[in-house]
Formats: sequence, C-alpha cells, structure tokens
Amino acid sequence: DAGVIQSPRHEVTEMGQEVTLRCKPISGHNSLFWYRQTMMRGLELLIYFNNNVPIDDSGMPEDRFSAKMPNASFSTLKIQPSEPRDSAVYFCASSPTGLLQPQHFGDGTRLSIL
Amino acid sequence: RKEVEQDPGPFNVPEGATVAFNCTYSNSASQSFFWYRQDCRKEPKLLMSVYSSGNEDGRFTAQLNRASQYISLLIRDSKLSDSATYLCVGNAGNMLTFGGGTRLMVKP
Repeated sequence: DAGVIQSPRHEVTEMGQEVTLRCKPISGHNSLFWYRQTMMRGLELLIYFNNNVPIDDSGMPEDRFSAKMPNASFSTLKIQPSEPRDSAVYFCASSPTGLLQPQHFGDGTRLSIL
Repeated sequence: RKEVEQDPGPFNVPEGATVAFNCTYSNSASQSFFWYRQDCRKEPKLLMSVYSSGNEDGRFTAQLNRASQYISLLIRDSKLSDSATYLCVGNAGNMLTFGGGTRLMVKP
C-alpha cells in the first residue's frame, strides 16, 4: 500500500523565492498534518486538516506560510517569501478517522533557503 | 512546561544491554500514547502503541504509569540496529503531541 507521498524530496532555493511543498495522504485517511523539524526546535506541528478543512493553524509561524487542502488526496504548504530561517525538514502525515489515531509520516522535504 | 517531555540523551549502551526510556506528560486526562522511532535523516515511524495494561512487542515493552504521569519504553537485548531517536507521543486534548525524542546509540 502506498504511504504518504511528499514532493519534492529536496529543495534548495534563494531567499525571497516562493516554495511549494506537496503531499498526498494515505487513501482513506481523513486527517492531514504538516510538521517542521529542526535540531533546535524538534518536531513542530504547523497546521492540520480534518476532512479537508483546516482545523488549527496556530503553529504556522507567520503570514508567509499558507496551507491548502483542495481535496482528500492533495495538500500544499507554501512559503512566500522564503527566508533562511525556514530551512528545515517538512513532514506531512496522515491518520485515519479520529485525531488521536497514530499518524503515518511521509519521507519529508528537506528545504534549504540560501 | 511542554506537554510531553523526554530526556534527549544520548543513551550509549553496549549491544545486548537492556535500556529504558521514560517520557512524562503534563495533562492528566491524556488517553492516547505511542512510541515512534526516527532514524537519522528519515521520517518518524510508529513503533508501538501504549496500552493501560502495558504491552510487549518482541524485545520492546511499553508501559503507562498514570499515577506518576509517564510512559516508558524498555528495549531488551539491544541490537546495533536499535540505534535511533525514540519519540514519545501523548494527546493534549484532541491532538497528539510529540516529545523531543531520546537518542539511543548501541555500540558493539
């Protein structure tokens, strides 16, 4: 069975550029999560969706970050404009019905902003 | 105070040793707990759920202590391949919260 699929795996870009990260959750999973992981701050929840609806975006660092989930099989996380401090690994995860179900993570996108 | 806290380690143990990690949680109403494993430069992967009565999966045993509000992970007969970061997870309200992880290094 296909797991959570993220793209791209790696992204290197210059500050000020727009970055779009993509995620395809596991089919049938109703909840989708975006995380950011750094050495200093660990794994941070940015935003999560339930049935394609954003439920809590309080973890989004600032207005430069936005996320959408236009349908049950696709979500994007966008950073515009990007800054060097946004460099991190960004994970997408999904879980079946119920926010307290274990989450399944994608491989992550390793983002470097120069 | 963080919702879920772990000793970051590293725990350095010889192959074959038994090692245990604890993870404390602050919300006494928490009900769902898990342990995840994360290898270097990889994604977190579910290792096991933690049940109230304790549960075992091969060399791994997870336990919940509600009175002291912590969960534990015991690894017996540790292998070199057990070297990883172990993340504990508990719910804070209707959301799962990840701890910072405990790094384990198993040496030959």
